Amino acid sequence: NAGVTQTPKFRVLKTGQSMTLLCAQDMNHEYMYWYRQDPGMGLRLIHYSVGEGTTAKGEVPDGYNVSRLKKQNFLLGLESAAPSQTSVYFCASNNPGRGPNQPQHFGDGTRLSIL
Amino acid sequence: AQSVTQPDIHITVSEGASLELRCNYSYGATPYLFWYVQSPGQGLQLLLKYFSGDTLVQGIKGFEAEFKRSQSSFNLRKPSVHWSDAAEYFCAVGDSGNMLTFGGGTRLMVKP
Repeated sequence: NAGVTQTPKFRVLKTGQSMTLLCAQDMNHEYMYWYRQDPGMGLRLIHYSVGEGTTAKGEVPDGYNVSRLKKQNFLLGLESAAPSQTSVYFCASNNPGRGPNQPQHFGDGTRLSIL
Repeated sequence: AQSVTQPDIHITVSEGASLELRCNYSYGATPYLFWYVQSPGQGLQLLLKYFSGDTLVQGIKGFEAEFKRSQSSFNLRKPSVHWSDAAEYFCAVGDSGNMLTFGGGTRLMVKP
């Protein structure tokens, strides 16, 4: 049972470089989310998607872009990485069609360091 | 806007002792409340959730939480802690649109 899979697990970038984080889920979930986790701040929502082809901004969207071309995949892009984007990134998904606020399922995270 | 406060950043308990992790929330309507656990290097795993009904909810791994509307709290408890419970615990509140707001987390250490 794969659930939510994130790639890569670790990455080190130089300031100004770009990269894309991939999230894939095999649960046929409609909603997908990208969070960043920083010490003492819990998880903060970057962007989310309520279905294929749709995306929306969360609490901390600046410096990130996302795409949801396929229902099972949600991509998070950093166009020009900055040291402030050093963080652990988590992807999550759920299926609200079964009722309100169904629990989100999380991937294992991507640890990203920007030098 | 909704918010969650976990007042204790770190807690250390002895193995076999009881545990209570505090969570206070701010939300205008009936909240949807969650506790998640994160082991080192892992994602978040759902421990339990409260949507409505009985205010004492049971979760996995022997955890329970009590919703107290008058105190805007949703504290997590376990009668006897095991060394494997050492992890970081997050309380979260959700709105009707499925958006979650997380607290800052409480890191639990267990002494032998």
